[in-house]
Amino acid sequence: NAGVTQTPKFRILKIGQSMTLQCAQDMNHNYMYWYRQDPGMGLKLIYYSVGAGITDKGEVPNGYNVSRSTTEDFPLRLELAAPSQTSVYFCASTQGVEQYFGPGTRLTVT
Amino acid sequence: KQEVTQIPAALSVPEGENLVLNCSFTDSAIYNLQWFRQDPGKGLTSLLLIQSSQREQTSGRLNASLDKSSGRSTLYIAASQPGDSATYLCAVSPRNDMRFGAGTRLTVKP
Repeated sequence: NAGVTQTPKFRILKIGQSMTLQCAQDMNHNYMYWYRQDPGMGLKLIYYSVGAGITDKGEVPNGYNVSRSTTEDFPLRLELAAPSQTSVYFCASTQGVEQYFGPGTRLTVT
Repeated sequence: KQEVTQIPAALSVPEGENLVLNCSFTDSAIYNLQWFRQDPGKGLTSLLLIQSSQREQTSGRLNASLDKSSGRSTLYIAASQPGDSATYLCAVSPRNDMRFGAGTRLTVKP
């Protein structure tokens, strides 16, 4: 049972580069989320989606974009990477109550 | 704006002690509250979820309570073990998103 999967696990980017963090879930959940976690802090919501084709901003959306073309996939795009985006990124999904999290992507921008 | 605070930030106890972790939130209009465990370098594992109509939930040695009117939740861990060492995060769901506290880092010494 895969649950929520994220790729890559680690990535180093140079300032100004772009990349896409992948997230997929096999539980047929409508709700999906992207969070970032900075050292010693809780998670902050970047974007979320309540179903295919529907996305909305969270607390810290600047510098990121998302799309949701299928129920299973919810990729997060960084267009012009900045050092402030160095963080651990978590994807999560839910069918309305309990949230299930992926293992995270550790991103460093130098 | 919903703010979630966890006290203490860090806690060290000898094995076998019973302990309480605290979580407070500023807006009582929540759908549910969830407690997570996070091991170093890992994702989040859901421990207990309390829906807004419930007062407490129990799982094994863990008991979580919720008092919406005072904006507080506690996580009680009985007979602590070294394997309980981790960071414990609480999160509240005001709508479709989830707001996290910064966590309590627990160390249980053998």
